[in-house]
Amino acid sequence: DAGVIQSPRHEVTEMGQEVTLRCKPISGHNSLFWYRQTMMRGLELLIYFNNNVPIDDSGMPEDRFSAKMPNASFSTLKIQPSEPRDSAVYFCASIAGTGTYEQYFGPGTRLTVT
Amino acid sequence: AQSVTQLGSHVSVSEGALVLLRCNYSSSVPPYLFWYVQYPNQGLQLLLKYTSAATLVKGINGFEAEFKKSETSFHLTKPSAHMSDAAEYFCAVSYGGATNKLIFGTGTLLAVQP
Repeated sequence: DAGVIQSPRHEVTEMGQEVTLRCKPISGHNSLFWYRQTMMRGLELLIYFNNNVPIDDSGMPEDRFSAKMPNASFSTLKIQPSEPRDSAVYFCASIAGTGTYEQYFGPGTRLTVT
Repeated sequence: AQSVTQLGSHVSVSEGALVLLRCNYSSSVPPYLFWYVQYPNQGLQLLLKYTSAATLVKGINGFEAEFKKSETSFHLTKPSAHMSDAAEYFCAVSYGGATNKLIFGTGTLLAVQP
């Protein structure tokens, strides 16, 4: 299995631009999580999906952030417009489903907003 | 509120010395407990997990952790540190039920001195 795949691995953009981060969970996993990691705030859960449905988006910092999961094998996290304070590493993780709790993380996308 | 506390944001040991990273959780409900490791510029990798079976759990790379309900602890140990163990370690807890969310600690950065 290829594991959780994220793209791009690195993204540099200017303030005000739209940024889209992509995630492909492990095949057969039905829960997906988006996290943000910074030195100041550590690892923060932004949103998670069960069976493609958003369950808890209370960690999404503001309306500039949105996430979708159109099918079981793909999710996006979009920031529009981006700001320098959005600079962070964004991780996607997936989990096999009910009764299992260990999450499998992707390699992350390092976002730099200048 | 449910939480995870990792004592010591930075721990430094000498190569060959015992590694002890502390984790305490807050809940009266038996949890599922995890340790993850994050190497520089990588995602989080599962080290080991406790899911109410044996209280002493063995993981990868010679690490183990012991679940102590009376102390609400799940400390991570390794008898002899290697240089390659230098990384950040995260303790996490899940309380099961309808949600698959993990609550992460703030992390402990382990340095191994030659």
